[in-house]
Amino acid sequence: EVRLVESGGGLVKPGGSLRLSCAASGFTFRTYSMNWVRQVPGKGLEWVSSISTIGDLKNYADSARGRFTISRDNAQNSLFLQMRTLRAEDTAVYYCARGILSYPGYFDLWGRGTPVTVSS
Amino acid sequence: ENVLTQSPGTLSLSPGERATLSCRASQSVSNNYLAWYQQKPGQTPRLLIYGVSSRATGIPDRFSGSGSGTDFTLTISRLEPEDFAVYYCQQYGISPPPFGPGTKVDIK
Repeated sequence: EVRLVESGGGLVKPGGSLRLSCAASGFTFRTYSMNWVRQVPGKGLEWVSSISTIGDLKNYADSARGRFTISRDNAQNSLFLQMRTLRAEDTAVYYCARGILSYPGYFDLWGRGTPVTVSS
Repeated sequence: ENVLTQSPGTLSLSPGERATLSCRASQSVSNNYLAWYQQKPGQTPRLLIYGVSSRATGIPDRFSGSGSGTDFTLTISRLEPEDFAVYYCQQYGISPPPFGPGTKVDIK
C-alpha cells in the first residue's frame, strides 16, 4: 500500500524544539520530492517546506526559514522536519506530502498528519 | 510571491446542483501549474486536479478544471453527497507554492 505516516508531534513549550518524521512505503521514495504542509485546525493549508529527491534543494516558507530544517534519508524512506524556537503560531497539524512534477510540484499523496501544540 | 484568492468563501447548494468555484491569482500562473484539492472534515487533503484540467487518478468525471493566466475554475457538474467539503487551489512549480484560502461547499 502506498502511504505516508507522520510521527513526532506533541505538546511543546514556546521556544522548544520538536522533530517530525514521515515514513514512506509502497513507492520509490528516492524518486520523489517531498514536502511539509501545515494546517491550523479549522483554517486553510499552509506550505511549510520542500526538499528535492536527493536533498540538494530545500525551500522554506518565510514563517519557517531559519527555525525549521527539512531533511530526508532515502535509505530509510524517511522525511524529517526539525523545528526549533517554536512559537504558539506554529500550532497546527503537520502533513507530509509527496511532490509530483516540477519541484516542488503538486501533492498527490498525503499523510494523515501529526498535531503540534505549542503552549506553556 | 503569487497570492491566490478563492470565491465564494462558502457555496451553499443542494445535491444534484452544479458547483462553480473560482481561483484567482495575483500574477499569471506559468505552465498551467494549478492544482485543486478536496478536504472533508477530519480528513487529509486529496488531489483532484493538476495542470489546470487533468483529473487525478480515481477522480470522477463530474469534477473538471479550466482556466488560464490568472483565472481558474473548478466545476462539479452534479453534486453528490460526498462532494460537500472544502476545496483549495494551489499553484505549484514555484517557491513558495501558495494555496488559496479555500471554498467551502455545504448543503443548502
